[in-house]
Amino acid sequence: GAVVSQHPSRVICKSGTSVKIECRSLDFQATTMFWYRQFPKQSLMLMATSNEGSKATYEQGVEKDKFLINHASLTLSTLTVTSAHPEDSSFYICSARADRGRWDTQYFGPGTRLTVL
Amino acid sequence: AQKVTQAQTEISVVEKEDVTLDCVYETRDTTYYLFWYKQPPSGELVFLIRRNSFDEQNEISGRYSWNFQKSTSSFNFTITASQVVDSAVYFCARIDQTGANNLFFGTGTRLTVIP
Repeated sequence: GAVVSQHPSRVICKSGTSVKIECRSLDFQATTMFWYRQFPKQSLMLMATSNEGSKATYEQGVEKDKFLINHASLTLSTLTVTSAHPEDSSFYICSARADRGRWDTQYFGPGTRLTVL
Repeated sequence: AQKVTQAQTEISVVEKEDVTLDCVYETRDTTYYLFWYKQPPSGELVFLIRRNSFDEQNEISGRYSWNFQKSTSSFNFTITASQVVDSAVYFCARIDQTGANNLFFGTGTRLTVIP
């Protein structure tokens, strides 16, 4: 149980295009989902927290107009990187916390590797 | 700042050696959880252990063991008789009960096990 999927697993796009990444909780409902970014050889940094039906909370330094997050249902959150540029190339990982689940437990997706040419 | 520090950036050991990965954390909370994750080259995070702040018992799981010392704010991870498949980046992380319950990751330790 507690499986989180991400789609796509890998995407290559041209500079200036927008890319959408989906994060789904497959066998549980997730009130809260988290988006992390990981640059090569670095740690995971929290970008934003999304709660179903409300606006996402962005961490300091993360541009909300560039990284659009939508959490329209209890099983799906999307991250759209708008007008992507090479510096946005990174590994994006989502996690989900189960509705009525433990506050300390997040289930991670397998990640999406974004390369912007 | 309430940090999670993994001072060892990279470690190389020869297969069958034991290796300990260090983790030191800072927190103002009395209730928190500590974690270790493994990230192999594929990138997917593999959960290894969760330990709450009130449980200082050491834990052993096969070749893995963890030493939680609240007095020194450390949660070290030891791999016994290392294997090539243990080669990965290992992250220590912390989550506090108060606030947003966000997970804070350390900078990671890259372990290379040489055959």
